[in-house]
Amino acid sequence: EVQLVESGGGLVQPGGSLRLSCAASGFTFSTYWMHWVRQAPGKGLVWVSRTNSDEGTTSYADSVKGRFTISRDNAKNTLYLQMNSLRVEDTAVYYCARGGYAAAFDMWGQGTMVIVSS
Amino acid sequence: QSALTQPPSASGSPGQSVTISCTGTSSDVGGYNYVSWYQQYPGKGPKLMIYEVTKRPSGVPDRFSGSKSGNTASLTVSGLQAEDESDYYCSSYAGSSNHVFGTGTKVTVL
Repeated sequence: EVQLVESGGGLVQPGGSLRLSCAASGFTFSTYWMHWVRQAPGKGLVWVSRTNSDEGTTSYADSVKGRFTISRDNAKNTLYLQMNSLRVEDTAVYYCARGGYAAAFDMWGQGTMVIVSS
Repeated sequence: QSALTQPPSASGSPGQSVTISCTGTSSDVGGYNYVSWYQQYPGKGPKLMIYEVTKRPSGVPDRFSGSKSGNTASLTVSGLQAEDESDYYCSSYAGSSNHVFGTGTKVTVL
């Protein structure tokens, strides 16, 4: 079965760190660009970051640039998001998404919740 | 990068059509034919419904169609069914490896 499964979310204090993981299965992970997208409670989707297939290039939304780092381990079929200097406004469900044709996100995980609160 | 503008809600009776707009700028929607649409049920991850403005992935009913004119893209759901009641989001490539989503529209089947 083709799927993405996120993990690593939880409660963290402002200024803290967290690393999210996204395990991919059912497709050739190493050939796809991958993204992180987040959704604050009751709000819309916001693109966070992406990496190309071999992590040669990465890109970030301005709101997380310098604090978040996207990476991948193609041998383990896993995508990561290292989140440092977390802020209350980073509270959201974080989804990993597969980059498809024409800049679309053609597959999504079920999400993992990150709560930043003191 | 500002979010694309969608109406907060739209509704229609079963069998009718509903159209959702997605307005951006010449730097995103108007500048690229890379507009996609997503359906999201509460508590679930989004599902791709339309990509490259008008194309449907395999398995998406042909009741769903997309279009674009200038800086505004649209999603039309024809022959509304109860299971179409959901949140819908547009997305566009915005250059320099950036992507932007719409504000989201809740579709209600009356």
